[in-house]
Amino acid sequence: EIVLTQSPGTLSLSPGERATLSCRASQRVSSSYLAWYQQKPGQAPRLLIYGASTRAIGIPDRFRGSGSGTDFTLTISRLEPEDFAVYYCHQYGSSPLTFGRGTRLDIK
Amino acid sequence: QITLKESGPAVVKPRQPVTLTCALSGVSISRHGVVVGWIRQSPGKALEWLGDISWNDDKWYSPSLRGRLTIMKDASKNEVVLTMTNMDPVDTATYYCGHKSRVFGVVTPFDPWGPGTQVTVSS
Repeated sequence: EIVLTQSPGTLSLSPGERATLSCRASQRVSSSYLAWYQQKPGQAPRLLIYGASTRAIGIPDRFRGSGSGTDFTLTISRLEPEDFAVYYCHQYGSSPLTFGRGTRLDIK
Repeated sequence: QITLKESGPAVVKPRQPVTLTCALSGVSISRHGVVVGWIRQSPGKALEWLGDISWNDDKWYSPSLRGRLTIMKDASKNEVVLTMTNMDPVDTATYYCGHKSRVFGVVTPFDPWGPGTQVTVSS
C-alpha cells in the first residue's frame, strides 16, 4: 500500500499570500497518477489537479500541481477567501487507492 | 453533466449489514470505460477508499475490508450498490460514491463525487 504523507497538517495564511502544500509517497506513484482535492465543510471533495499537474475543468490557474515519483506539491499562488479549506492528495495508480490525511488551510 | 447521489439508511445497528445505493445520471454504468467507486470519511478523519466496479463488472476492493464488502451494479436502474456486513461503530462515516474512467489502461481520479450519505452505527 502506498502511504501518502501530507505536510504541514495545518497552514495559516492570509488572503493574497502563496500556499505550498506537500505530499510525499512511500513508493513511486505510477504514471504520476496523483490528484489533489479540495474539501469544504459539509461538502464532497472537489477535484483540482490530476496526473500530478493537470488542472481539472473550471479550476483557476492560481492552482498549480507539480512533482513526480514520490514528491508532489500543490501551490496556490494568491489565496482567495474561498480557498480556505482542507486539501487532500490521492494516488489512483496502485491498488489499494489511498489518500493523504489532509492539510487544513486556515485564514490567519 | 455527470451526477451521482447516494442513498441508504441513516442508522444501522451493530453487527447488521448495510446496503447503500449510488444513482448515476448523465452517463450509463454500462458505457465502456465507466468505473464507479465508494469512499468513506469518518468524522473529522481522512478519506478511505472502499472499492470500485467497472462497466464490464470488474471489481476492486480494499484489502482491509475485503470479505465484508460487495459491490454490484444494476444496469437497468443505472445504479451501483454497496453492501457492507457486520457493521461496527467504527464504520460510522459519510459514504461517498464517485465516477471515474479506465480506458485502454488510462485511469482518471474520482470526479465528480456524490454529496455523500451519513451512516451511523449505533444500537
